[in-house]
Amino acid sequence: GAGVSQSPSNKVTEKGKDVELRCDPISGHTALYWYRQSLGQGLEFLIYFQGNSAPDKSGLPSDRFSAERTGGSVSTLTIQRTQQEDSAVYLCASSLAEGGTQYFGPGTRLLVL
Amino acid sequence: AQRVTQPEKLLSVFKGAPVELKCNYSYSGSPELFWYVQYSRQRLQLLLRHISRESIKGFTADLNKGETSFHLKKPFAQEEDSAMYYCALSGDSGAGSYQLTFGKGTKLSVIP
Repeated sequence: GAGVSQSPSNKVTEKGKDVELRCDPISGHTALYWYRQSLGQGLEFLIYFQGNSAPDKSGLPSDRFSAERTGGSVSTLTIQRTQQEDSAVYLCASSLAEGGTQYFGPGTRLLVL
Repeated sequence: AQRVTQPEKLLSVFKGAPVELKCNYSYSGSPELFWYVQYSRQRLQLLLRHISRESIKGFTADLNKGETSFHLKKPFAQEEDSAMYYCALSGDSGAGSYQLTFGKGTKLSVIP
């Protein structure tokens, strides 16, 4: 079956612009995670959605980052006023239920010039 | 706070030699441990989950709670094992989520 998909695969933007990254989880998966993979920091957790519960935003690095999940399926990660240090690969993962095996998407490679 | 340490950034072994990728963790509770692998130009994928006690592609990993370790082992390395390997920990963060805490990763290079 289809795995987790993300779009765009690559995004180049100018410092100060806003960007939106999209994640389509595996159908039926109730848990959705966003991670960031950067050279200096490795893989870091950003935000978690589970069903209709309030998201766990504890990993978001600043208030410029936000995410939403509409209808319990597709999620969008928004970065406002991008900075060069936001350059990274943004990964989305989903699992059937909380605590279940997480399946990762291919990532969005973001470059902020 | 939960933390995962992979002491080796790069590990090079000859084909047919044994492989051990080290992973130590810090967590106050009963964590769940994973090994994820990322082959060149592919997405991150699960290799092993400690509760499954499986051997995948010849790899095994045993959770040692006394030493807080979850080392990944394979008796005979193959060229196709060359990849980036990440050890990860999942536990209730207290906020109700089960996000993964990753180590920095070890790049395994198998020399023909």
